[in-house]
Amino acid sequence: EAQVTQNPRYLITVTGKKLTVTCSQNMNHEYMSWYRQDPGLGLRQIYYSMNVEVTDKGDVPEGYKVSRKEKRNFPLILESPSPNQTSLYFCASSLYPGRLNTGELFFGEGSRLTVL
Amino acid sequence: AQSVAQPEDQVNVAEGNPLTVKCTYSVSGNPYLFWYVQYPNRGLQFLLKYITGDNLVKGSYGFEAEFNKSQTSFHLKKPSALVSDSALYFCAVRDSAGGDYKLSFGAGTTVTVRA
Repeated sequence: EAQVTQNPRYLITVTGKKLTVTCSQNMNHEYMSWYRQDPGLGLRQIYYSMNVEVTDKGDVPEGYKVSRKEKRNFPLILESPSPNQTSLYFCASSLYPGRLNTGELFFGEGSRLTVL
Repeated sequence: AQSVAQPEDQVNVAEGNPLTVKCTYSVSGNPYLFWYVQYPNRGLQFLLKYITGDNLVKGSYGFEAEFNKSQTSFHLKKPSALVSDSALYFCAVRDSAGGDYKLSFGAGTTVTVRA
């Protein structure tokens, strides 16, 4: 089954304790992205990756890191989480966007993170 | 810069009545427009997209959307709503003139269909 898998789905942590949210897709997609969803703000892009070893900042990258060592994996790293990073996080993937092949995004189920 | 606006936070309709969720956009080039739906405790699911061609596009679950270039709108519609359509709906846009694959989302509209 084609899917994007995120882990953990739920996490409560404390300020400053490093954490990683994993994301894996089995569709051989080139493009992957992380979003955070906050009430009234919709989805805001954190980082994205057009392909292996190619990553770039989205709209709200501060406090986050990513890596893309393999095509299927795109982990989100919070080196020193703070309470303002409490949010619902989504990983998404897509085929490489060309002129007409814009492709729709496939989303994971989400990871709800609470930073105390 | 590209942006999307969903002017209504909430839409309430009775089952069987028509459902419309509004979306307007702003881009410098041509728009690629998308609608996604999010059910409780789930990720977003793709509903439909407009890239080029016919202004009326049909998607999953009986939804359709009409692209109106002069009004810069892409409203989502369903002729007869079901209780199961109750969810959070997001409109998204990508600017064809953009050099990256940046998809901008609206704030979302919560649809409640009452029995």
